Parts: sequence; structure tokens; C-alpha cells
Amino acid sequence: GENVEQHPSTLSVQEGDSAVIKCTYSDSASNYFPWYKQELGKRPQLIIDIRSNVGEKKDQRIAVTLNKTAKHFSLHITETQPEDSAVYFCAGAGGGSYIPTFGRGTSLIVHP
Amino acid sequence: NAGVTQTPKFQVLKTGQSMTLQCAQDMNHNSMYWYRQDPGMGLRLIYYSASEGTTDKGEVPNGYNVSRLNKREFSLRLESAAPSQTSVYFCASSEAGQHRYEQYFGPGTRLTVT
Repeated sequence: GENVEQHPSTLSVQEGDSAVIKCTYSDSASNYFPWYKQELGKRPQLIIDIRSNVGEKKDQRIAVTLNKTAKHFSLHITETQPEDSAVYFCAGAGGGSYIPTFGRGTSLIVHP
Repeated sequence: NAGVTQTPKFQVLKTGQSMTLQCAQDMNHNSMYWYRQDPGMGLRLIYYSASEGTTDKGEVPNGYNVSRLNKREFSLRLESAAPSQTSVYFCASSEAGQHRYEQYFGPGTRLTVT
């Protein structure tokens, strides 16, 4: 089955800096890579996703890139704000299974 | 639309007690899931139901049972709770199929087993 690894486990930045979270996956048949944000005490919610026929996708201050050859994908947040503080999960799905496999999460802390 | 709802929000059990976590969705989704979330471990799949009438084991099914009561409802049962089952439990739902994978999560149930 799919194995998704996520780094770093904790990321601390100053407000206004950029943040990058990286994930690798093992199943070359995976074709869908969502990112979820979980604020403290809340449920995970989808913030952006990318499919394997696309190399990059942007939505305002967040972007995701995908390198199929190397089997890794990354979340980029620019001009970070305190409200970006949360746990971010990457996931991979597709191929023979529609069920995503989640990474272990990155706790992003944005200091004012 | 309420989305995905779960009850209860909090529960404390003693070792050996049983309980059922309830989940319902009003988005007409075919697939439903139960996850547990532990610090540093991400979201681990316990059981899932691809469609009404079917259930399958996920990554960590031991100690749990599930019932897909109808298309809307998917319950998780702990028959004899153990301290290792202390966790936050999330129910989720999604469409299944080639082009729709987004999962919608419920608010979670925080369970403590003493």
C-alpha cells in the first residue's frame, strides 16, 4: 500500500516569512495529493489539492508542487500570518485505492 | 446542511466498558470512514465503508467494530475499552470514484479510557 512521509514535524516561522512542508510517497500509481489544515481543537479541512497531471497549483498565498519522477510534493505558504498556525497533513491516493494515506502532520507555528 | 456530525463530543470510560460512537452525514456521500488521531501519528484509518452494506478494515481495526446502518449513518463500537484506545476519533465521508476524493470530517470525539 501507499506510504506517505512528511517533514518537518514542527516548523516555526516569523510572521511574513514563507513556510514549506514536504512529503514523499511510495506508490507510483497515486494520482491525487490533498493537503488538510487542522486548527487546534478543530476538524481537518481540505485547503488545496493537486492531481498528477498538474505540476503546480496556487490559491492566493498557498501553493502545492508535485514532482512525479521523484515522488514528492510540497506545500508552500507565503507571507505567513498567525492564523496560519495549525497542523497540516499531506496525503496520497489513487491508483487502486480512493482512500488517502495521510502523513503524520506538521505543526506550523507563526510568531507575530 | 450540517455536514458530518458525531456524538458524543467527549467521553470517559473505564477499562472494559463498551460504547458506540455515532456518525451521520447529510451530503449523500457513498463512502464513510473512521479515523483515530494520536499525537505524532497523524490520522490512522480504523474502518471504512465504501457504500451502504459494505465495511472493510483499515490500518488499525483491532478492538473495534463498525456498522453502516444506512447511507447516512456509520457507527464505531468499542466492545471492551482499553487505555490504548484513548484518542480523538474522527468520522469522515466522501464521494467515491475516479475524480472525487475530498474527505469531509466530523468535529471529533475525544475519548479517554482510564
